[in-house]
This record gives sequence, C-alpha cells and structure tokens, in this order.
Amino acid sequence: AQTIHQWPVAEIKAVGSPLSLGCTIKGKSSPNLYWYWQATGGTLQQLFYSITVGQVESVVQLNLSASRPKDDQFILSTEKLLLSHSGFYLCAWSLRRGEQYFGPGTRLTVL
Amino acid sequence: AQSVTQPDARVTVSEGASLQLRCKYSYSGTPYLFWYVQYPRQGLQLLLKYYSGDPVVQGVNGFEAEFIKSNSSFHLRKASVHWSDSAVYFCAVSAWGNEKITFGAGTKLTIKP
Repeated sequence: AQTIHQWPVAEIKAVGSPLSLGCTIKGKSSPNLYWYWQATGGTLQQLFYSITVGQVESVVQLNLSASRPKDDQFILSTEKLLLSHSGFYLCAWSLRRGEQYFGPGTRLTVL
Repeated sequence: AQSVTQPDARVTVSEGASLQLRCKYSYSGTPYLFWYVQYPRQGLQLLLKYYSGDPVVQGVNGFEAEFIKSNSSFHLRKASVHWSDSAVYFCAVSAWGNEKITFGAGTKLTIKP
C-alpha cells in the first residue's frame, strides 16, 4: 500500500530564517507530486507540481521554491521566511489528474 | 480559468437528518469534479470523484454527488448524517490536460446531537 509522509509535523520559525519541508511517497512509482498551502480556516492554494524527477512547475509565487531530487521525494523551501508563510502545508500525489491523495501536513508558525 | 464556489461557509444539521452541501464551478470545457473532506489538523481525504458517465456518483461513507452540467453544479448529499461527519468539506475542479486543481473555500459541517 502507498504511504505519504511529511516532515516535520510542525515548525515554529523566526521571520527571515530559512525553511525546508519534506514529503516522501512510498509504494507508487513516478507519481505526480503537489505542494499546497492552507491558511488557518481557509481554502487550499496549489503552490507547485511535479510530474517527473528534476522538473517542478510553479503555480503561484509566494517566495517559495520546490525541488524533486528523487522520484519519491518533494521538497519545499525558502531562504527567508515571511509572516505570511504561516499556515498548513500539504503534500499530495496522484497517478491520474485531479484524484489526489494528501499527506498529514506540516503546521508552520512564523513569528 | 476555472473556479469553484461553495456558497455556505458553515452548515449545521441534526444527527440523522439529510444533508446537501452546495458547489458550483466555472470551467468552459469538461471538468473533473471532486469532493474532499478534512478532519481537524489532518490532510484531505477524497470522498468521491466525477470524470464522465453517470452524473450521480457514489462515494465513501454514504455520500453521493450529482453533476448537473446545465447548472454547473456538483452538490454533495447524504441521506442521514452521523456525528462523525463533522468536518470541513471541499469541492474541487480540474481539467483534462491541466495539472492545476482549484479548490472551493470549504464548508464547515457541524452535526448537532
């Protein structure tokens, strides 16, 4: 069975500090991968997607970047956090457009 | 461009009553439509999906939705709700040939005992 793991579970970071969030999918070969951001009590904003290793497409500019160094790994990062980066970050995978399966999420608080 | 409107931010229903959560989408082509549920502090879970064919689709836990093209709607229904159905429900739309998926603002469902 496929599993999706996100790390860390939660982070508290200072404004201006760097950030790296990770996502790993096991049990699926060559999935499409996605990053989402969710403000507290809000809707989901798709940030990035990747259909193959080394290739990442940006959907919206939020001073974040993403990389896919391995088939089963998706990394979200920034060198300088803003207050507006606070929220819930969700990773998802799919083998078919739209039918996505989500990880448990990482809660980020920027102070 | 595609968009999704969930007009009800909050819905409260008594346990055992029927439920309808509304969703309207905007997309010029043939959409792929989804309902997801999010329990507190968790990721999203797929409830059901529509790609083509029978406009009434069945999902998990007794949920169903009906695609009405003429009305650009994809409302979620359940005949009898349970207290465990309390959660936030998101409607979403994507399109063939496009990796972008657009979510609605969500509807928070509260079940009264």
